[in-house]
Amino acid sequence: QKEVEQDPGPLSVPEGAIVSLNCTYSNSAFQYFMWYRQYSRKGPELLMYTYSSGNKEDGRFTAQVDKSSKYISLFIRDSQPSDSATYLCAMATGGSNYKLTFGKGTLLTVNP
Amino acid sequence: KAGVTQTPRYLIKTRGQQVTLSCSPISGHRSVSWYQQTPGQGLQFLFEYFSETQRNKGNFPGRFSGRQFSNSRSEMNVSTLELGDSALYLCASSHSRGATDTQYFGPGTRLTVL
Repeated sequence: QKEVEQDPGPLSVPEGAIVSLNCTYSNSAFQYFMWYRQYSRKGPELLMYTYSSGNKEDGRFTAQVDKSSKYISLFIRDSQPSDSATYLCAMATGGSNYKLTFGKGTLLTVNP
Repeated sequence: KAGVTQTPRYLIKTRGQQVTLSCSPISGHRSVSWYQQTPGQGLQFLFEYFSETQRNKGNFPGRFSGRQFSNSRSEMNVSTLELGDSALYLCASSHSRGATDTQYFGPGTRLTVL
């Protein structure tokens, strides 16, 4: 079983739709949870960062972490064509030996 | 502020050759991490350098190595290339170490092994 599982999609939605992206994980030592967005031919860029269970909102984006279920989500409200990209979840343990463990990414296309 | 730069952007090599990739971090950033991205395995951590010392290493064979210079620039080297080494190699820099320090990624080097 991989440490982080993410449905690769692809996911295609109409403009204005609410998008839900999800990851599950098996390592209970993960404490830090991130979502990255990667446009074609670019490196990933950090979208959201959360520590501990709960919700965090930033504009149209909401990140949700449920540590008891080992499940994290990213919601995108009022999706725009410019949101079309690959979304990667990433997780890390604490301490000096930490490293980011990524999901494989979900390819999202928002159609105008 | 300039972002993370990686050179070259594209490389074509043949099996058995070796390759060196370069990464210049954001000015003031002292930590550099390297990742391999493939369609099959996704983004996988290779290693991290901080203050010219390797601080963390992923599960890759010894053919993959790296180093960091006093100006924080980093190089990674892959010896005896295999077809399976074809991938996008990404470098990320952060100001310091730790999960709370945002990693900023470069555009990557696309390596094709024939």
